[in-house]
Amino acid sequence: QVQLVQSGAEVKKPGASVKVSCKTSGNTVTGHNIHWVRQTPGQGLEWMGWITPKSGGTHYAQRFQGRVTMTMDTSSTTAYMELSSLTSDDTAVYYCVISVEAPATPNFDYWGQGALVTVSS
Amino acid sequence: EIVMTQSPATLSVSPGEGATLSCRASQSVRSNLAWYQQRPGQAPRLLIYGASTRATGIPARFSGSGSGTEFTLTISSLQSEDFAVYYCQQYNNWPPMTFGQGTRLEMK
Repeated sequence: QVQLVQSGAEVKKPGASVKVSCKTSGNTVTGHNIHWVRQTPGQGLEWMGWITPKSGGTHYAQRFQGRVTMTMDTSSTTAYMELSSLTSDDTAVYYCVISVEAPATPNFDYWGQGALVTVSS
Repeated sequence: EIVMTQSPATLSVSPGEGATLSCRASQSVRSNLAWYQQRPGQAPRLLIYGASTRATGIPARFSGSGSGTEFTLTISSLQSEDFAVYYCQQYNNWPPMTFGQGTRLEMK
């Protein structure tokens, strides 16, 4: 059974960084790319990028290039997403997601519970 | 970047009736479209992918259709748990993948 369990809510000041974790479990998880999607009141759902657990290779959405870093600790099967230079526009719920049923395409059938990041002075 | 536009923003329907939700792409995405349901306080749930294939465990009252730029999600005989927000997502020539802004399905 695939499970994605994320870290808790965070409050950060503008200009700071946040690192969200996503503990994965289940036999097939390490064979799938782990994507990150965020949900903001203003922009709705936004895809941020992915990491390939076995190789550590990443691909980031252009709008987050230079500000986001996705990593993977294969020993603990935990993925991380770090976002820097935070502004109030980064206030959002951040989800880790994977596609298992149709792994060749990004149809996200497994979601973490979400991590609320609030950016406020 | 492909822009996804959903309509209507809010749809009011009585339980037991059917609902039709629309999603339009700014350019053709062929059949590379998914639908998600999001209930309050929960993560989105995958309903449909490939425009018309139901994900595992999704009831048959949910059906998807369309290709190119026009897509429809149809829910027959609405149950109380179906009142939620629905999103479409395109994944043609990804990345990036982009989502619509959502349709809120509310109980009349």
